[in-house]
Amino acid sequence: DGGITQSPKYLFRKEGQNVTLSCEQNLNHDAMYWYRQDPGQGLRLIYYSQIVNDFQKGDIAEGYSVSREKKESFPLTVTSAQKNPTAFYLCASSIGHDTQYFGPGTRLTVL
Amino acid sequence: GIQVEQSPPDLILQEGANSTLRCNFSDSVNNLQWFHQNPWGQLINLFYIPSGTKQNGRLSATTVATERYSLLYISSSQTTDSGVYFCAVDSGGSNYKLTFGKGTLLTVNP
Repeated sequence: DGGITQSPKYLFRKEGQNVTLSCEQNLNHDAMYWYRQDPGQGLRLIYYSQIVNDFQKGDIAEGYSVSREKKESFPLTVTSAQKNPTAFYLCASSIGHDTQYFGPGTRLTVL
Repeated sequence: GIQVEQSPPDLILQEGANSTLRCNFSDSVNNLQWFHQNPWGQLINLFYIPSGTKQNGRLSATTVATERYSLLYISSSQTTDSGVYFCAVDSGGSNYKLTFGKGTLLTVNP
């Protein structure tokens, strides 16, 4: 089955810890994205990557880091510098300006 | 950057009723998508519709790009239609990022 997978589904982080969220796609899409959703809000773009080994900051990149070493994978690290990381994180992929497809998301909670 | 406004913010319907959701955007777009977010958070693609009209079962969408708005029509609503509906746009150029509206929370009562 083609699609986007994210893991874990739920993640708990202690203050001061870095955590990494996984996103994998087998759709052969060039572009991948990370969005953050807070309760009752729309999605906001954290980082995006249009080709391997290249990525760009989105609207709320502070406190986050990414890598794009493989076409299929775009992991997101939430660092201790992110002051309010509790949120729902969604990964997406696309071919250019065409339809973006989303994974099931990861809910991150800071303890 | 481009602004996206959705209306109404909340909508409550009885099963079987019809509804229209609106999305206004502030600049020309290369991509406009409508999504339904289910209770588990999954974003489900409804339409990719930068212009024109499309239909899929009880749902249809129209985008009038020259007037910078899009409409999502839901006919004969069912309780399973409940959830948040998002409009998102990509203003084109060298990046493909989507800017989302804040969504319309639809509740369909039996």
